[in-house]
Amino acid sequence: DGGITQSPKYLFRKEGQNVTLSCEQNLNHDAMYWYRQDPGQGLRLIYYSQIVNDFQKGDIAEGYSVSREKKESFPLTVTSAQKNPTAFYLCASTLGQGPGEAFFGQGTRLTVV
Amino acid sequence: SQQGEEDPQALSIQEGENATMNCSYKTSINNLQWYRQNSGRGLVHLILIRSNEREKHSGRLRVTLDTSKKSSSLLITASRAADTASYFCATVPPQYGKLTFGKGITLSVRP
Repeated sequence: DGGITQSPKYLFRKEGQNVTLSCEQNLNHDAMYWYRQDPGQGLRLIYYSQIVNDFQKGDIAEGYSVSREKKESFPLTVTSAQKNPTAFYLCASTLGQGPGEAFFGQGTRLTVV
Repeated sequence: SQQGEEDPQALSIQEGENATMNCSYKTSINNLQWYRQNSGRGLVHLILIRSNEREKHSGRLRVTLDTSKKSSSLLITASRAADTASYFCATVPPQYGKLTFGKGITLSVRP
């Protein structure tokens, strides 16, 4: 089955720690995206990548980092510089570099304890 | 910044009624898309309308686009309890790249 997989589903982080959220797709899509969702805020774009080894900052990139070493993978690291990391994180991918239909993973809920 | 703004923020209707949701955006677009999200899950794509299109249909969904007013509407006809979810519009700029979402509309369909 083709799709986009995020792991883990739930993640707990102690303050001051970096954590990495995984996003893998087997759809052969070129572009991948990371969004953060908070109650009442909708989806806000963190980073996106249209091709391998290239990525751009979204609207709320501070405190986050990404890499795109493989077409299938786009991991997101939430660093200790992110002051309020508790949120629901969604990864998406689209075919081609110009967004058409986006396919989403099931999300990772990150909680700082 | 969030390009699209949906209206209303919340909508409650009776099963069988039609649900109309609106989205306004600020800058030029290549296309506009509508998505659905069930609680705690990822988003599912519903329909895409390009900037040179005015109306599209998909099953019980009807989407319109008015680029002069920078607005779109999503109509769900003969709603069902299973349509209860959050609905988001998303825009793509002419230069492609970013897919930007609004804050969403919470739709509740009462059985």
